[in-house]
Amino acid sequence: QLQLLESGPRLVKTSQALSLTCTVSRGSINSTDSYWTWIRQPPGKALEWIGYIYFKGATYYSPSLEGRFTISVDTSKSQFSLKVTSVTASDTATYYCARAGDCGGTSCFDHWGQGILVTVSS
Amino acid sequence: DIQMTQSPSSLSASVGDRVTITCRASQSISHYLNWYQQKPGKAPKLLIYGASTLQSGVPSRFSGSGSGTDFTLTISSLQPEDYATYYCQQGYTTLTFGQGTRLDIK
Repeated sequence: QLQLLESGPRLVKTSQALSLTCTVSRGSINSTDSYWTWIRQPPGKALEWIGYIYFKGATYYSPSLEGRFTISVDTSKSQFSLKVTSVTASDTATYYCARAGDCGGTSCFDHWGQGILVTVSS
Repeated sequence: DIQMTQSPSSLSASVGDRVTITCRASQSISHYLNWYQQKPGKAPKLLIYGASTLQSGVPSRFSGSGSGTDFTLTISSLQPEDYATYYCQQGYTTLTFGQGTRLDIK
């Protein structure tokens, strides 16, 4: 069973950068039918898709988010990462990494990490 | 972006009840609609994809239907472990989620 695990700092200062890593295990990050995804959820609010990356490096982001988000992949470490620049309190959220697979011709998220709560504070 | 609107935002029901949650898309998304269940402090879990296909391992009391703009998630006989928040997600264009429906014990 594929496993994903988020890691990174849980407290980030306002205006600084937030960097998270997701480690993929019990499966291959080089899978041709997987898109490696970041999703976030502010406390008490709904899920928000940030974007995803293919193992070869192609990225897709939510156009609703301004260009502060960057997703990268390191296949040698079976990891992919998220960087958010110039964070504000509104970036406080639980950040999930997930696998997007093909579900009847579209993307669904069938494997998730446990999530990591990141708080932005001055 | 396509907006996904769930109704109700919350509901209370008893064990054994039949429960229906609705998700409406702001434009047609064909059958590209997925449902997730999220329990407090946990990651979401995929229940249904393609509007009506049950994910492996999900109990058959869960079912989904709809196409175009209107979709439903039905729990035929509510069980204690079903109390959770449910989200729909469209995969037609840029991926977006509904705002969630919280299902509480009555």
